[in-house]
Amino acid sequence: AQTVTQSQPEMSVQEAETVTLSCTYDTSESDYYLFWYKQPPSRQMILVIRQEAYKQQNATENRFSVNFQKAAKSFSLKISDSQLGDAAMYFCAYRSNFGGTSYGKLTFGQGTILTVHP
Amino acid sequence: EAGVVQSPRYKIIEKKQPVAFWCNPISGHNTLYWYLQNLGQGPELLIRYENEEAVDDSQLPKDRFSAERLKGVDSTLKIQPAELGDSAVYLCASSRRAGEQFFGPGTRLTVL
Repeated sequence: AQTVTQSQPEMSVQEAETVTLSCTYDTSESDYYLFWYKQPPSRQMILVIRQEAYKQQNATENRFSVNFQKAAKSFSLKISDSQLGDAAMYFCAYRSNFGGTSYGKLTFGQGTILTVHP
Repeated sequence: EAGVVQSPRYKIIEKKQPVAFWCNPISGHNTLYWYLQNLGQGPELLIRYENEEAVDDSQLPKDRFSAERLKGVDSTLKIQPAELGDSAVYLCASSRRAGEQFFGPGTRLTVL
């Protein structure tokens, strides 16, 4: 079974600064997706960025980028120019690309609470 | 495009009472997911539907939980009877088959 671990329960950053959230995962599969989701206090889970395991290039979405290290099974999220609206719980998630009953299932980490100070 | 709709947003019940949650997925999304999210933790999949068929319900506690997705659109998740440990947020998500999952706002259940 796949597992996802986020070792930072809480992180904080000053507005306009850069912060990196860590995530490691364990899998024996070679074809999968990794995601970062943001969950503000409203509870609406929002997709921030995704990475396909077969793509070597790190994904980037505006101020959000990832550092994907497949051999090390590491998937960190970097938020540049942090804004007050970035404050939320961030979840790292894994999804297998193989068929079967688990196809499409997201396995989440424990989450990291990000606080942004003005 | 309307998002995933869930109701109610909040529910408070006494233990041993039944409770039901409703989810309306995004139009055209044939895959529907129910997740359980305990306080301060990541969501865990309870059940996944492909159209009307429950294709992964291995994590659903079948002694007290049940779910249905009649006509392959709306879905209902039921707990009977509820226990104190069922207090959590119940999230619904939908997608085109194995595409990006879109989440609803969730239902926060409190069992007293």
